[in-house]
Amino acid sequence: GIQVEQSPPDLILQEGANSTLRCNFSDSVNNLQWFHQNPWGQLINLFYIPSGTKQNGRLSATTVATERYSLLYISSSQTTDSGVYFCAVPNSGYSTLTFGKGTMLLVSP
Amino acid sequence: EAQVTQNPRYLITVTGKKLTVTCSQNMNHEYMSWYRQDPGLGLRQIYYSMNVEVTDKGDVPEGYKVSRKEKRNFPLILESPSPNQTSLYFCASSFNMNTEAFFGQGTRLTVV
Repeated sequence: GIQVEQSPPDLILQEGANSTLRCNFSDSVNNLQWFHQNPWGQLINLFYIPSGTKQNGRLSATTVATERYSLLYISSSQTTDSGVYFCAVPNSGYSTLTFGKGTMLLVSP
Repeated sequence: EAQVTQNPRYLITVTGKKLTVTCSQNMNHEYMSWYRQDPGLGLRQIYYSMNVEVTDKGDVPEGYKVSRKEKRNFPLILESPSPNQTSLYFCASSFNMNTEAFFGQGTRLTVV
């Protein structure tokens, strides 16, 4: 099945810093999503981005489908950005989303 | 507001006592699924449903049942829960697997 790798696994930032999270996938996809799991466990949709670039406030994402990777940019990080960031793509049978292992982000004041 | 609603959010139960976790979506989505999240194992799919009365096993279906009698609801049934089913459970819905998926708030289940 499709493999999804995220990097880095852990990231510690000072408030106000910028960061880039990466998601590599092993096969071509028609769908890619980024999620934020907050400290209470909720999975929050960030981006649905099969290709191209999208921006939402301090966050933006770029997917280069032909090169099988996606990037999530967080600018001017805040403590509320802390949590785990997941990317997910459909498996080859389109029956499930395959998630990466996530990037755990801690933003300190 | 478009949403996926799971209930309960938290549940502590005893081994063998049947329970149901409900999931409801108001977006007229055809595709619904259940995942469990465990430390070190990530999110794994339990069951999915492509439409009413159509369900199929995911990666970890043992010990679970589902039903899809109407489009908006997709309950997860544990007929005889065991401690290894202690986990964080998520329900998700989308129009299909090529469209954006939305997740419920999660259900933290502890089986003692």
